Amino acid sequence: EDQVTQSPEALRLQEGESSSLNCSYTVSGLRGLFWYRQDPGKGPEFLFTLYSAGEEKEKERLKATLTKKESFLHITAPKPEDSATYLCAVHVQGGSEKLVFGKGTKLTVNP
Amino acid sequence: EAGVAQSPRYKIIEKRQSVAFWCNPISGHATLYWYQQILGQGPKLLIQFQNNGVVDDSQLPKDRFSAERLKGVDSTLKIQPAKLEDSAVYLCASSLNRNLYGYTFGSGTRLTVV
Repeated sequence: EDQVTQSPEALRLQEGESSSLNCSYTVSGLRGLFWYRQDPGKGPEFLFTLYSAGEEKEKERLKATLTKKESFLHITAPKPEDSATYLCAVHVQGGSEKLVFGKGTKLTVNP
Repeated sequence: EAGVAQSPRYKIIEKRQSVAFWCNPISGHATLYWYQQILGQGPKLLIQFQNNGVVDDSQLPKDRFSAERLKGVDSTLKIQPAKLEDSAVYLCASSLNRNLYGYTFGSGTRLTVV
């Protein structure tokens, strides 16, 4: 069974304190790994897609990386507005075009 | 570009009652998804439509859940009868021809079953 595990479940940072979120996956065939941001009361908002090991993508203070077994979302010098739940999802081979999501990491950045 | 519209935003019902949710996808998006997100968990796919046909409903509890997408545009998701464990946010998403990279979510309907 395809599985996506995110850690930690929750993370509190001070403004400017850099850190990383982890997403590990066990899937039959990875076609892509997605990172989403979800604010309270809203649907997930797309951040990045990674396709192959070694790939990296950046957007403002966020940088996503991918290995054969896991992905990291690095947050550099976070601001309070980066507070949200970050979801990782995988697109697996076969069947319908769907995403399998992890449970997410709830990030709180204190000023 | 208008986003994915969902209604209602909130719904509280008693167990064994029925409820329906509505979704209007982004104009021109052929693929529509319904996800269930239980508090503290990631979204789980319930059903996927391509135009007005079902592509994947393997995780839809068909004894109580049903969904339709008439004319390949709007969609409704129904629960009858509801159980306490159905309390969740129901998210609708759409994409252009099963393109995951243009996959846009609505804000969801928060259902509480008491």
